[in-house]
Amino acid sequence: KAGVTQTPRYLIKTRGQQVTLSCSPISGHRSVSWYQQTPGQGLQFLFEYFSETQRNKGNFPGRFSGRQFSNSRSEMNVSTLELGDSALYLCASQQPGNYEQYFGPGTRLTVT
Amino acid sequence: KQEVTQIPAALSVPEGENLVLNCSFTDSAIYNLQWFRQDPGKGLTSLLLIQSSQREQTSGRLNASLDKSSGRSTLYIAASQPGDSATYLCAVRLKLSFGAGTTVTVRA
Repeated sequence: KAGVTQTPRYLIKTRGQQVTLSCSPISGHRSVSWYQQTPGQGLQFLFEYFSETQRNKGNFPGRFSGRQFSNSRSEMNVSTLELGDSALYLCASQQPGNYEQYFGPGTRLTVT
Repeated sequence: KQEVTQIPAALSVPEGENLVLNCSFTDSAIYNLQWFRQDPGKGLTSLLLIQSSQREQTSGRLNASLDKSSGRSTLYIAASQPGDSATYLCAVRLKLSFGAGTTVTVRA
């Protein structure tokens, strides 16, 4: 069974631009969560989607948004990028009734 | 707000020594606790998941214990190998809250 995939793997953007990241969960997994990882703040929860609905949300500004499609694939969007948004963005999926999370390899975003 | 702490932040041991990694959390109302491994620049690999009703989980050389009442979990890695060098993170759920991790170096 294929693991969680994330695209693109690396991205360089300029301050003020916007970016969209994509995550495809493991087949059969309906929940997708997004995390931001930085050296200073560690891993922080962004949001979780289940069956196309946002189920939980972390403490991030409204510039960070996401959505989930009917095939469980998810996208995360960051608008008006700031230098501090440079991070590794990880998504994780889990199957119904099981809290174990499986992570993708991440998207490394650099904002210049 | 759930606070998750991992001590020590870094650990260096000779090959063959047992590893003991600690994780503490402030709110005992958790669904489960999960241990992960992360290699530099990579995603997270799940090692063990302990449900809130369980006391421990084992997988090969790895054993994780959970004491909800004291807000602590310990990950034991027996007979460490150079391939065990990585950062180990624990996370507790409701919303997944992560510790900062313990970076382990196993010297050959």
